[in-house]
Amino acid sequence: EAGVAQSPRYKIIEKRQSVAFWCNPISGHATLYWYQQILGQGPKLLIQFQNNGVVDDSQLPKDRFSAERLKGVDSTLKIQPAKLEDSAVYLCASSSVGGQNEKLFFGSGTQLSVL
Amino acid sequence: GQNIDQPTEMTATEGAIVQINCTYQTSGFNGLFWYQQHAGEAPTFLSYNVLDGLEEKGRFSSFLSRSKGYSYLLLKELQMKDSASYLCAVSSPTTTSSALEPERGNQAGTALIFGKGTTLSVSS
Repeated sequence: EAGVAQSPRYKIIEKRQSVAFWCNPISGHATLYWYQQILGQGPKLLIQFQNNGVVDDSQLPKDRFSAERLKGVDSTLKIQPAKLEDSAVYLCASSSVGGQNEKLFFGSGTQLSVL
Repeated sequence: GQNIDQPTEMTATEGAIVQINCTYQTSGFNGLFWYQQHAGEAPTFLSYNVLDGLEEKGRFSSFLSRSKGYSYLLLKELQMKDSASYLCAVSSPTTTSSALEPERGNQAGTALIFGKGTTLSVSS
């Protein structure tokens, strides 16, 4: 079974530039999550999708971050404009239906460096 | 509020036993997960507890006390490859801020809230 795919693996940009990350979850998984992991910290939930709808985006900085999952499969996360504090690993995860006892499967992440 | 605490770093030697503690205070609780994360890699699932008590899986065991808001991960017969970060995560209802109505039968609105992780270093 293929895992969660993410690209790019690494990205270096200057502040005020824009950047986009892509995620392809495990086939058939209805729930998709984007997490931000700053160095030395645990992952922090940014947004959760159920199929193509947003379930929770309360911690997404909506003035600069946006995400979509138009067909209920792939998802993109965009930052525009980027700030220095956005330097982190952006992890995508998926689960079958998003149930309370379901484990999440994570992708390898995109490591973003904002200079 | 949501608060999950675990030690920042621990060290141990090969063959030893180590216990990584986690305390939590969350607005909701649907279960507790432990994940392992090697440097530069994705977190991978280790264990899940929803009822009080000990769950054993090979060299790894996880314990939960819901009344105390406490869990621990026990690693036995440590190996060098166990050097990694160990993440405690609580499954908690999320704040719905968009218009999606949960489909019948789905339990949307649940996500993992992670602690900062415990970096374990195993030496020979």
